Amino acid sequence: EADIYQTPRYLVIGTGKKITLECSQTMGHDKMYWYQQDPGMELHLIHYSYGVNSTEKGDLSSESTVSRIRTEHFPLTLESARPSHTSQYLCASSEPHEVLAGDTDTQYFGPGTRLTVL
Amino acid sequence: DAKTTQPPSMDCAEGRAANLPCNHSTISGNEYVYWYRQIHSQGPQYIIHGLKNNETNEMASLIITEDRKSSTLILPHATLRDTAVYYCIVRTRGTSYGKLTFGQGTILTVHP
Repeated sequence: EADIYQTPRYLVIGTGKKITLECSQTMGHDKMYWYQQDPGMELHLIHYSYGVNSTEKGDLSSESTVSRIRTEHFPLTLESARPSHTSQYLCASSEPHEVLAGDTDTQYFGPGTRLTVL
Repeated sequence: DAKTTQPPSMDCAEGRAANLPCNHSTISGNEYVYWYRQIHSQGPQYIIHGLKNNETNEMASLIITEDRKSSTLILPHATLRDTAVYYCIVRTRGTSYGKLTFGQGTILTVHP
């Protein structure tokens, strides 16, 4: 079992509120990712990080921001939530390229946060 | 990354083997075949990956044809908890920032 955690699992919040979705992993992985997924739809990458102090935007434009101050922690923040932000947010991590054996590109996912903005 | 084609849905009886096919006819020599699954409302779960040899782990077996244009994921003894959407992905290891692009996948339903 992968050791990657997300909190909260479910969040219902009103428009205009600031929210932070937490993601933590205890595997020492350098690479971390945030995906957005609507029910029955494909995953869309919105943010990723190569390591501490590294953050990049993914393929899908998102109004959220991320930070990576510690290896194990990759929180996602929405400054002002809107109904269009309603979705499931999935965090993942993977091992660095320098690993000589094993699954350097295997991504381990957290359980997700289902966000509903009213 | 090469495109993959999977049947939209499959059924399997509990305790029987589930064989999930995937076509990837445009795969190139340095591209791996990965399988993930996603159980309803949960995050995707890595299952297995391979390049050209058949692979087996505690979850499943991966059979890749000699020309590498298709593969089959085998769950040897399917259980009800294996009901999920199964995604076949073809990608180069270490590709850019390593993002995953899932297609529609195969909805596997395991019934009693």
